[in-house]
Amino acid sequence: LAKTTQPISMDSYEGQEVNITCSHNNIATNDYITWYQQFPSQGPRFIIQGYKTKVTNEVASLFIPADRKSSTLSLPRVSLSDTAVYYCLVENDYKLSFGAGTTVTVRA
Amino acid sequence: EAQVTQNPRYLITVTGKKLTVTCSQNMNHEYMSWYRQDPGLGLRQIYYSMNVEVTDKGDVPEGYKVSRKEKRNFPLILESPSPNQTSLYFCASMGLAGEGTQYFGPGTRLTVL
Repeated sequence: LAKTTQPISMDSYEGQEVNITCSHNNIATNDYITWYQQFPSQGPRFIIQGYKTKVTNEVASLFIPADRKSSTLSLPRVSLSDTAVYYCLVENDYKLSFGAGTTVTVRA
Repeated sequence: EAQVTQNPRYLITVTGKKLTVTCSQNMNHEYMSWYRQDPGLGLRQIYYSMNVEVTDKGDVPEGYKVSRKEKRNFPLILESPSPNQTSLYFCASMGLAGEGTQYFGPGTRLTVL
């Protein structure tokens, strides 16, 4: 099971771009990279998933370099409501591990 | 509406009193899973199920049991709860492993005295 490492916390201001990098040095060939968002006392919510290069949806972008040993979640123009915990997950199997996540705090 | 439901949402019990937390999904998903969340530890997987009658241990299965008799239901059973099982529990479901989009329930906050 690939282990991931993320910063424990990040601070930002409204309107800025937030980039969270996740390290996954032992990622396997079949592993996908998935990011989730969690608000206090709620279950995590899927944000984005990718395998390589760049993936973009209406909420975020995911950048994955060629060696796939890391990935960066980019949240454009954050607002106060983006304050949450963000988890990076590397998976291709049924046994899943979320880790402690990155607490992002957006200030006015 | 596609959803995962859990009951109860809050439960206070005493050590040793058997309890069951129910989980149900209406998306016909094959994969279901239970997690516990503790401060500073993120979400840790307790058990998961790949399909009916197929279950396996996650990272922290000790003290828990599960069953998967129907596709939509995946109850979590604590035969003899202890205070170290006080936690926030989440059930999740997914169409296929590796698909990425896990749908989580609202959570069950359990306190064992």
